[in-house]
Amino acid sequence: EMQLVQSAAEVKKPGESLRISCKGSGHRFSTSWITWVRQLPGKGLEWMGRIDTSDSVTQYSPSFEGHVRLLVDKSNTTAYMQWGSLKASDTAMYFCAVETLYYGVDVWGQGTTVIVSS
Amino acid sequence: DIQMTQFPPSLSASVGDRVSITCRASQSIGTYLHWYQQKPGKAPKLLIYASSNLQSGVPARFSGSGSGTDFTLTISNLQPEDCATYYCQLTYTTPCSFGQGTKLEIK
Repeated sequence: EMQLVQSAAEVKKPGESLRISCKGSGHRFSTSWITWVRQLPGKGLEWMGRIDTSDSVTQYSPSFEGHVRLLVDKSNTTAYMQWGSLKASDTAMYFCAVETLYYGVDVWGQGTTVIVSS
Repeated sequence: DIQMTQFPPSLSASVGDRVSITCRASQSIGTYLHWYQQKPGKAPKLLIYASSNLQSGVPARFSGSGSGTDFTLTISNLQPEDCATYYCQLTYTTPCSFGQGTKLEIK
């Protein structure tokens, strides 16, 4: 059974860079879409984008394209999301997840809290 | 982009009641619509995939229906542990948007 374990919470300053990780275990990782979802404090779920772990093809929501970058290291079965310059409005919980067309999102990481504050 | 409209935004019901939540897509998405339950501080949990298929381990009091643009999640015989926020999501095309969420309160 596949599991996703995300990196620990981060506290950063505006303008700083950040990379958070999502470690997969199980045979599905190498042939999956890993999706990232944002949840602002007290708000709903927002689909940010996804990466195909087999060939690193990415698809982004227009709302997030250009602000985050999705990466994958197949050898370490780890997906990453990185920011080049954080803003206070990036303060949120971020989930990674395994997504398919037919089954939806059936595996979720536990979430990584990112706090951006001066 | 396909827009998802979910309603109602909140719902209050009693143990044993039956409730329904609706998602409407701005264009046809076939049956590529899924439902999730999220409790505070936790990751969402898949309840129903492809409109009407019950995810393994999910109680049979949860059911889904619909195709095209209109979809419904129904919870029968409401239990105290069903207190949560429920979301729909499309995977027909990217961005794979979520609905706005429905917060269910148990009286």
